Amino acid sequence: RKEVEQDPGPFNVPEGATVAFNCTYSNSASQSFFWYRQDCRKEPKLLMSVYSSGNEDGRFTAQLNRASQYISLLIRDSKLSDSATYLCVVNLMDTGRRALTFGSGTRLQVQP
Amino acid sequence: SAVISQKPSRDICQRGTSLTIQCQVDSQVTMMFWYRQQPGQSLTLIATANQGSEATYESGFVIDKFPISRPNLTFSTLTVSNMSPEDSSIYLCSVDSGGGTRAFFGQGTRLTVV
Repeated sequence: RKEVEQDPGPFNVPEGATVAFNCTYSNSASQSFFWYRQDCRKEPKLLMSVYSSGNEDGRFTAQLNRASQYISLLIRDSKLSDSATYLCVVNLMDTGRRALTFGSGTRLQVQP
Repeated sequence: SAVISQKPSRDICQRGTSLTIQCQVDSQVTMMFWYRQQPGQSLTLIATANQGSEATYESGFVIDKFPISRPNLTFSTLTVSNMSPEDSSIYLCSVDSGGGTRAFFGQGTRLTVV
């Protein structure tokens, strides 16, 4: 079983649609969680952190369910510029080494 | 935030040769990280490079194949040695910020081995 699992997609949605991505992680000791965005042929960039209480940043809402080891990302009012691959990232906070584990990503294509 | 310059951005290499990728950070960092991302795959950590000590390699990666240098707190190199077509991938340099919880990446090196 992969440490971080995501539906690879692609998700093809029209502009203005609401779309949700899900992610599950296998290590219950994971301590912090993130969504990264990766545009085609570009490096990953942090989209938002995910907090236990859930958090929102404009059109983006992230949720965490520790009991189910499940993370979600909701995008409202999709824009063409939202087309990208969204990476679910989990951090074990293991000192001395990088413990960030990346999912394989969910591809979103927003269509006019 | 950290600004990372990585070069070359891309290269096409003959099998059996070696390529060295450079990564320069605009601030001093303790740990630098090298990743590989194969097409359609997640990022896989190759190794962690600490200044003044040998790199720590992840399972499946060895120093003879991927030697790493870390001469100071702002610079690192990754060499892909004796390349084969299976080494064709994107290689990414990364550093941490925010107490080790946020990752910044270089622009990546797209390597094609023919």
